[in-house]
Amino acid sequence: GAGVSQTPSNKVTEKGKYVELRCDPISGHTALYWYRQSLGQGPEFLIYFQGTGAADDSGLPNDRFFAVRPEGSVSTLKIQRTERGDSAVYLCASSVWFGETQYFGPGTRLLVL
Amino acid sequence: GESVGLHLPTLSVQEGDNSIINCAYSNSASDYFIWYKQESGKGPQFIIDIRSNMDKRQGQRVTVLLNKTVKHLSLQIAATQPGDSAVYFCAETPTGSSNTGKLIFGQGTTLQVKP
Repeated sequence: GAGVSQTPSNKVTEKGKYVELRCDPISGHTALYWYRQSLGQGPEFLIYFQGTGAADDSGLPNDRFFAVRPEGSVSTLKIQRTERGDSAVYLCASSVWFGETQYFGPGTRLLVL
Repeated sequence: GESVGLHLPTLSVQEGDNSIINCAYSNSASDYFIWYKQESGKGPQFIIDIRSNMDKRQGQRVTVLLNKTVKHLSLQIAATQPGDSAVYFCAETPTGSSNTGKLIFGQGTTLQVKP
């Protein structure tokens, strides 16, 4: 069956611009997670959705970062006024329920010039 | 604070040998541990998991061992193949009433398989 998909696979933007990153979870998975991975590091948790609501956004670095999941399926991570330090791979994962195995997408590679 | 660490950044093994990748964790209250494999340019791929009420779990060519006394986790890969070359991450889920299933990852061990 289809796994987690993420679009775009690569995104190059200029400092100060706004970007949106999309995640399509595995069908039927109620839990959705966003992580950020810097070069040579492990993924770092950003935000978790159970259904439509953000149950834990403690990993978002600041208020330039925001995520939504309006219908409990697809999620969009939004970054305002991008900075060079936002350059990283943004990973999305989904699981049947929180605490169950998380399956990751291929990631979106964001480069802020 | 919570942290998960791996003992060695790089492990080089001969094809056909067994590999052992180690991980130390600091949160004694964690109750769920996972190993992921990440190939270059791809997202992490689930390998095997274990809960804190177990000390060993086996999969196909892989075994995970959990030693809660010393807060140590290991991944054993039998008959290592070139396709096993990748970065391996251990991750844990902290317990508590605020548990959301979020994962805390270590920095990763790069496994290099020599033909």
